[in-house]
Amino acid sequence: GENVEQHPSTLSVQEGDSAVIKCTYSDSASNYFPWYKQELGKRPQLIIDIRSNVGEKKDQRIAVTLNKTAKHFSLHITETQPEDSAVYFCAASSFYGNNRLAFGKGNQVVVIP
Amino acid sequence: KAGVTQTPRYLIKTRGQQVTLSCSPISGHRSVSWYQQTPGQGLQFLFEYFSETQRNKGNFPGRFSGRQFSNSRSEMNVSTLELGDSALYLCASTFYGQGNTGELFFGEGSRLTVL
Repeated sequence: GENVEQHPSTLSVQEGDSAVIKCTYSDSASNYFPWYKQELGKRPQLIIDIRSNVGEKKDQRIAVTLNKTAKHFSLHITETQPEDSAVYFCAASSFYGNNRLAFGKGNQVVVIP
Repeated sequence: KAGVTQTPRYLIKTRGQQVTLSCSPISGHRSVSWYQQTPGQGLQFLFEYFSETQRNKGNFPGRFSGRQFSNSRSEMNVSTLELGDSALYLCASTFYGQGNTGELFFGEGSRLTVL
């Protein structure tokens, strides 16, 4: 089955700086890559996603890039703010809309004011 | 529109007991999936139900089971509880049909502690 790995496990950044989280996946058939944000004590929520026919997608301060050849994708957060502090999970699926997502173990992002 | 509702939110059981967790999806969402979240392991897929049928199953032992009712509500059951079953169990629902974005809408979870 699909195996998704996230690096680094914890990331501390100064407010206003950028944060980058990288994920690798193993199954070349995967074609849907969402990112979920989970604040402390709250439910995971989708923040951005990308499909394999697109190399990059941006939504305000967040962007995701995908390299199908290398089988990795990254989340970029620019101008970080304290409310960006959370655990971020990347995931992969071999079928768009398939709820069988393979999640990474999560990255704790801490934004230091 | 009400979100995904999970009950109970917290529960404590002892080894060997069994537990049933409930999930009510967002109105109109016919797919319900379950994930186990533990520290350091992230979210691990348990199973997915669509129109009362199990459509996908993760790599969990047979002690973990589930079902879905005609109103799309779902339950999962864990029998013969083990200490390692202590986790946050998250339910997520998805809308299938035109306009499906693939987004999972998670509930707040049921936190199970096994003593």
